[in-house]
Amino acid sequence: NAGVMQNPRHLVRRRGQEARLRCSPMKGHSHVYWYRQLPEEGLKFMVYLQKENIIDESGMPKERFSAEFPKEGPSILRIQQVVRGDSAAYFCASSPSGSPLNEQYFGPGTRLTVT
Amino acid sequence: GDSVTQMEGPVTLSEEAFLTINCTYTATGYPSLFWYVQYPGEGLQLLLKATKADDKGSNKGFEATYRKETTSFHLEKGSVQVSDSAVYFCALREETSGSRLTFGEGTQLTVNP
Repeated sequence: NAGVMQNPRHLVRRRGQEARLRCSPMKGHSHVYWYRQLPEEGLKFMVYLQKENIIDESGMPKERFSAEFPKEGPSILRIQQVVRGDSAAYFCASSPSGSPLNEQYFGPGTRLTVT
Repeated sequence: GDSVTQMEGPVTLSEEAFLTINCTYTATGYPSLFWYVQYPGEGLQLLLKATKADDKGSNKGFEATYRKETTSFHLEKGSVQVSDSAVYFCALREETSGSRLTFGEGTQLTVNP
């Protein structure tokens, strides 16, 4: 039973390029959460998605960041025109439903470095 | 808003020593509290949780008690092992914020043989 998969594990982008981070939830899970961990800080919530719906994007920066979770395929976190301050570890988590009683299962993260 | 504060790390202990990692929180309602552990190169794993005041969460020899009066959820283990070396995150989830988790900064624990 595979866990939450994230790829790539490491991503290097130059300033101004686009970064695409992928997250495949655990089998049977239809709810996905994205968190960002900046250096020396804890994880910060970014966005919560259900299949084809954004439920809560209160933690997403207003510009350059977007997320989707299509009916088929992985969830994608997209960062356009990356800047050095976007360098961080991005973690995805999934759960079988949105109930607060459900545990969130985390992937290994994608380490994004912007040069 | 909600916040979680953990004791500063890193923490280095000898095998079989007693471990305490402090965690305090600020919340407007009645949050559920969690400890997650992250081993090198892996994702976060839920270690234990407590959903109401005075609940004690426990797993793998680790314990934490939900103390509403001191807004704390300190992690303890009586005798650590080298395999416990990891980063530990305290987190909360408010009833009113849906499924969003709010994390502390994480505490790096290294246990030496």
